[in-house]
Amino acid sequence: GAGVSQSPSNKVTEKGKDVELRCDPISGHTALYWYRQRLGQGLEFLIYFQGNSAPDKSGLPSDRFSAERTGESVSTLTIQRTQQEDSAVYLCASSLAPGDSGNTIYFGEGSWLTVV
Amino acid sequence: SQKIEQNSEALNIQEGKTATLTCNYTNYSPAYLQWYRQDPGRGPVFLLLIRENEKEKRKERLKVTFDTTLKQSLFHITASQPADSATYLCAPGAQAGTALIFGKGTTLSVSS
Repeated sequence: GAGVSQSPSNKVTEKGKDVELRCDPISGHTALYWYRQRLGQGLEFLIYFQGNSAPDKSGLPSDRFSAERTGESVSTLTIQRTQQEDSAVYLCASSLAPGDSGNTIYFGEGSWLTVV
Repeated sequence: SQKIEQNSEALNIQEGKTATLTCNYTNYSPAYLQWYRQDPGRGPVFLLLIRENEKEKRKERLKVTFDTTLKQSLFHITASQPADSATYLCAPGAQAGTALIFGKGTTLSVSS
């Protein structure tokens, strides 16, 4: 597709279960980002992939969170042993290789996670 | 640590007026700064990018300024319309190859 695609769009899970969220970036975009946004709050950076470089994991809130990316395509964000505080929308974004002049980031519509 | 502040969480103005939103940053030397718009339940959408060597950038009714001495960007919407009601996010861009960090945003409401 032409845009960033995320799945599932909505997920309700029980506390303690693991969840996987998927992101298909725009073809040709080497940079991929995951952000979390709690209801009424700002964007919280989670993790950033750029080409073959080691990912920037500095935003992951705990070791229950992990993410992988296959080459320069699909990425999966995994949350283990979910807690109610994990309820949020998880936004994926992609861009061309960031340079000093900056590149536009394109966001998906998000995966809405509710932990009950 | 790097910090981004957007002047207020909410801004209410009347249709036809100019809206001015502020983005201040500290412990940053951004090469550029981006502004995004986010509507409820949607992902953010890119609006404008301004580089450190540019004082001002315009796009239709939008105008962005970038003052690296004050460490501040101003975002103006002239002749505002109710359709401009949304949350506006700023994101100073740091070094190449680093993630883009966003401010918490300012929610603009334009009443008719």
